[in-house]
Amino acid sequence: AQSVSQHNHHVILSEAASLELGCNYSYGGTVNLFWYVQYPGQHLQLLLKYFSGDPLVKGIKGFEAEFIKSKFSFNLRKPSVQWSDTAEYFCAVNARNTDKLIFGTGTRLQVFP
Amino acid sequence: NAGVMQNPRHLVRRRGQEARLRCSPMKGHSHVYWYRQLPEEGLKFMVYLQKENIIDESGMPKERFSAEFPKEGPSILRIQQVVRGDSAAYFCASSPTSEGFNEQYFGPGTRLTVT
Repeated sequence: AQSVSQHNHHVILSEAASLELGCNYSYGGTVNLFWYVQYPGQHLQLLLKYFSGDPLVKGIKGFEAEFIKSKFSFNLRKPSVQWSDTAEYFCAVNARNTDKLIFGTGTRLQVFP
Repeated sequence: NAGVMQNPRHLVRRRGQEARLRCSPMKGHSHVYWYRQLPEEGLKFMVYLQKENIIDESGMPKERFSAEFPKEGPSILRIQQVVRGDSAAYFCASSPTSEGFNEQYFGPGTRLTVT
């Protein structure tokens, strides 16, 4: 069965620090990969997605993620976080022969000024 | 351009009552997905529907839960005889098509509390 692991449950950073959130998935076939963000009190929003092509994907608000097929990983990065990045971040995978998203358990990011 | 709408946003039910959660997809979207988020867990897929059809209900509990997406009106997730373990956030998502790469747009969720 497909699964998604997010290694960091809670990350605390100061503004301007660099961010990397880990995401690994287990599935042998071709996948689509997503990172969603949920700001406090708001609904999930898509940060970025990978379908094919360049494995380095750039999303909104300065976020990027790199798909490393050999490691089954899709880590999220941002070189310099801001207080407004405080949110919960979810990695999700969709196997291309299905329509459902499989989510990781999420990483809560707190950024202090 | 309204996004995915869910109502109510918060719902409190006593054990044994019924809960009805509604989801209106984005304009032009004909595919609806329901996910459940239990405390301290990620979102878990429940069911995928198109108009008048259930396509994949592999994540739905076998009893008490049902979903529909009628030709007219919102999609409904119905939980009969609720129990405390049903307390969770229920999210609806919609997409314009399931062909190829299906980006799903999420609603704000309904937080169900069973007392």
